[in-house]
Amino acid sequence: EAEVAQSPRYKITEKSQAVAFWCDPISGHATLYWYRQILGQGPELLVQFQDESVVDDSQLPKDRFSAERLKGVDSTLKIQPAELGDSAMYLCASSFSLNQPQHFGDGTRLSIL
Amino acid sequence: DAKTTQPNSMESNEEEPVHLPCNHSTISGTDYIHWYRQLPSQGPEYVIHGLTSNVNNRMASLAIAEDRKSSTLILHRATLRDAAVYYCILRGNSGNTPLVFGKGTRLSVIA
Repeated sequence: EAEVAQSPRYKITEKSQAVAFWCDPISGHATLYWYRQILGQGPELLVQFQDESVVDDSQLPKDRFSAERLKGVDSTLKIQPAELGDSAMYLCASSFSLNQPQHFGDGTRLSIL
Repeated sequence: DAKTTQPNSMESNEEEPVHLPCNHSTISGTDYIHWYRQLPSQGPEYVIHGLTSNVNNRMASLAIAEDRKSSTLILHRATLRDAAVYYCILRGNSGNTPLVFGKGTRLSVIA
């Protein structure tokens, strides 16, 4: 079982609805990442935090996606409204600091109907 | 981003060594070679990384060519649990450099 905790494990929702994912990184890890993985492809970085600050959100579709890490510990990724193309695995990872090996959670599999 | 090239898939017999190749002809002098693997229904897992010298850890060995344009991840005795997608990734070590995953190599292990 992954040390990075993510919930829920699975989420099924209808398009136009709001959806949220939660991630609790390894204790003491300052850097937190959210990735999206489409079936058959490698993960793609959506957003990266260093403590509570966003370091890189260049690939985050900001019209519908938002991410926060208010106290620099756990984090939430939200999609509103969800679209059919958002169906994917959403992975959270953490590392002790920048450029250190990343530890991944087991992800949330999102299906949009 | 520096690119890597890996075979789409490989097959190995259980308890035999596995050599997973990766070509990275455009590697720069400051790029580290990282390997991650992803077991079915799980997130990726860090395996190993190196710069110039060969590296060993409890999971695998990493052999890096002298010109650094290729590398090989070596699993010394494949088990069924090693069946996964293996990703070879180049990553700089200055500032904030992201992990850029390709499609990796899908390793099948036959009992």
